[in-house]
Amino acid sequence: EAGVAQSPRYKIIEKRQSVAFWCNPISGHATLYWYQQILGQGPKLLIQFQNNGVVDDSQLPKDRFSAERLKGVDSTLKIQPAKLEDSAVYLCASSLVTYEQYFGPGTRLTVT
Amino acid sequence: GENVEQHPSTLSVQEGDSAVIKCTYSDSASNYFPWYKQELGKGPQLIIDIRSNVGEKKDQRIAVTLNKTAKHFSLHITETQPEDSAVYFCAARLHQTGANNLFFGTGTRLTVIP
Repeated sequence: EAGVAQSPRYKIIEKRQSVAFWCNPISGHATLYWYQQILGQGPKLLIQFQNNGVVDDSQLPKDRFSAERLKGVDSTLKIQPAKLEDSAVYLCASSLVTYEQYFGPGTRLTVT
Repeated sequence: GENVEQHPSTLSVQEGDSAVIKCTYSDSASNYFPWYKQELGKGPQLIIDIRSNVGEKKDQRIAVTLNKTAKHFSLHITETQPEDSAVYFCAARLHQTGANNLFFGTGTRLTVIP
């Protein structure tokens, strides 16, 4: 069974630029999550999708972050404009039911 | 929300010894507690989990215990091997209708010395 796929793996941008990350969950997983992991910390949930709908986006900085999951499969997370403090690893995870979450390899973002 | 504390932040053991990592959580409504292993440059890998209606769970060399009264849970790794070296994260799921938000600890860097 293929795991969660993410791209790109690495991205370097200047502050105030925009960036987008892509995620393809495990086949059949209805729930998809985006997490932010700052160096030396545990992951922090940004947004949770159930199929096409948003279940929880309470910790998403909506003035600069946006996410969508069209057709209930792939998802994209966008940051516009980026700030220095957005430097982190952005992890995508998916789950079949509401417990076990499986993570992708992440995208390491560096904002200069 | 939920607050998860994890100790120690670093742990070094000799190969073959046991390692124990401890976590506490703040919200008694949390009902699911997974443990993840994260190697350098990779995403977290689920290694074991426990639900609130169970006190202990074991899978080969790893085990997890849960004390709901004290609101703490622990990861036990026996007969450690160099490939166990990684950062380990505990997490707690706060039971909320429809949501599946995991709150993570700050991680424990385990080093197994050959």
